[in-house]
Amino acid sequence: NAGVTQTPKFQVLKTGQSMTLQCAQDMNHEYMSWYRQDPGMGLRLIHYSVGAGITDQGEVPNGYNVSRSTTEDFPLRLLSAAPSQTSVYFCASRGVGTEAFFGQGTRLTVV
Amino acid sequence: GNSVTQMEGPVTLSEEAFLTINCTYTATGYPSLFWYVQYPGEGLQLLLKATKADDKGSNKGFEATYRKETTSFHLEKGSVQVSDSAVYFCALSDLVSSGSARQLTFGSGTQLTVLP
Repeated sequence: NAGVTQTPKFQVLKTGQSMTLQCAQDMNHEYMSWYRQDPGMGLRLIHYSVGAGITDQGEVPNGYNVSRSTTEDFPLRLLSAAPSQTSVYFCASRGVGTEAFFGQGTRLTVV
Repeated sequence: GNSVTQMEGPVTLSEEAFLTINCTYTATGYPSLFWYVQYPGEGLQLLLKATKADDKGSNKGFEATYRKETTSFHLEKGSVQVSDSAVYFCALSDLVSSGSARQLTFGSGTQLTVLP
C-alpha cells in the first residue's frame, strides 16, 4: 500500500543550490502534479503531467523544472534555490475518474 | 479562471459542537467538488466529494451538498471530536484550458481545533 512516496521529508538548502524532490506512485496513475503549500494560500499547482513524456505548467512554475520519463516517477527540480521557494511541497497522482492521492510532503527551507 | 473561497480560520470548538466551514467557488464549467483533510505532518486525504448539482457527499459524519444556485459546498458535522482537529481544504476539479486533464483548485484551508 505504498501509494505516493515523496523523498526527502525535510531539506535545508543554501541560496543558489540545486536539488531534486522525488515522487513515485505505484497505482499506474496517468496524472501527476506538484503543489506548494504556503500559509494562508492553500495549495498552488507548480507543474503537472498527463502521462509519460507530457508535462505542462501550472499556476506557479517559475524556478522549477519537471520531467516524466516513466508513469511511476515525476521528479521536481530546483535549479537555483531562492528563499521564496521555502515551502512544503506535495506530489499528487490521479487515475481516470479517481480522487487525487497525495504524498506526505517535503518541507524545504532555503537559507 | 477557477477559484475557491473558504471561511478563514482558525476555528476552535468544544467536543460535540456543531461544525460548519463555508466554501464557495467560481468555475467556468461543471466542476466536481471536494473536501480534503490534512492531519498534522501528513499529506491531504480525500474526505468527501460531489460530482454534480444537488449531490451530497458524506464520510465519517461529515456532509456537504453541491449547491449550484449558490455556488457553495459547505462542510458540516453535527458533533465534532478531538480527533477531527486538522486543516480542511475545499477544492474543485475542472478541465484545464487544454481540455486534457482535470486539475484541482484549492481554497486556502481552515484550521480546526476541537477541545475536550
